[in-house]
Amino acid sequence: GNSVTQMEGPVTLSEEAFLTINCTYTATGYPSLFWYVQYPGEGLQLLLKATKADDKGSNKGFEATYRKETTSFHLEKGSVQVSDSAVYFCALRTNAGKSTFGDGTTLTVKP
Amino acid sequence: GAGVSQSPRYKVAKRGQDVALRCDPISGHVSLFWYQQALGQGPEFLTYFQNEAQLDKSGLPSDRFFAERPEGSVSTLKIQRTQQEDSAVYLCASSRDSTYEQYFGPGTRLTVT
Repeated sequence: GNSVTQMEGPVTLSEEAFLTINCTYTATGYPSLFWYVQYPGEGLQLLLKATKADDKGSNKGFEATYRKETTSFHLEKGSVQVSDSAVYFCALRTNAGKSTFGDGTTLTVKP
Repeated sequence: GAGVSQSPRYKVAKRGQDVALRCDPISGHVSLFWYQQALGQGPEFLTYFQNEAQLDKSGLPSDRFFAERPEGSVSTLKIQRTQQEDSAVYLCASSRDSTYEQYFGPGTRLTVT
């Protein structure tokens, strides 16, 4: 079956540090890949997505590239802010519509 | 327009009670999904509707779980004879169609005591 493995947290960084959260997946077929973010007290929000190999998704300074050869979709940001503190989920979705999520990585950014 | 709404936001049930969780999707969204999120884990798929048709219920953990969407809009997830292991956040998501972006509701946190 499909699965997503995320870098375990929690991750604590200082403001303006570089962020990488690793994500690898196992899937049949050609899934779409997503990063979702959950801010404290809020629901899941789509952060970025990529629908085919070598696509790069980007939003709010975050980027991730769909790497089919390494089955990875690592999340990066060059300079994090305190407001980026949240839980980040990597997910994949097949044509069947349902999504498979990783267990989430908690990011805390300190001033 | 309004996003996905869910009610109640919090529910405490005694073991053995039945509960009903409601999801109001974004107007016009054809696809509706239910997920279960245990503490410290990612959401796990439960079931999926396309309009009123339940196309996939492979994630429902037992026959105590039942979902419906009779008019292709509002959906209800019912859990009968709740057990402690049912304690989780239940998330609903809707999308224009199964291949489009899923929009998540705030979830219902169920605690079974």
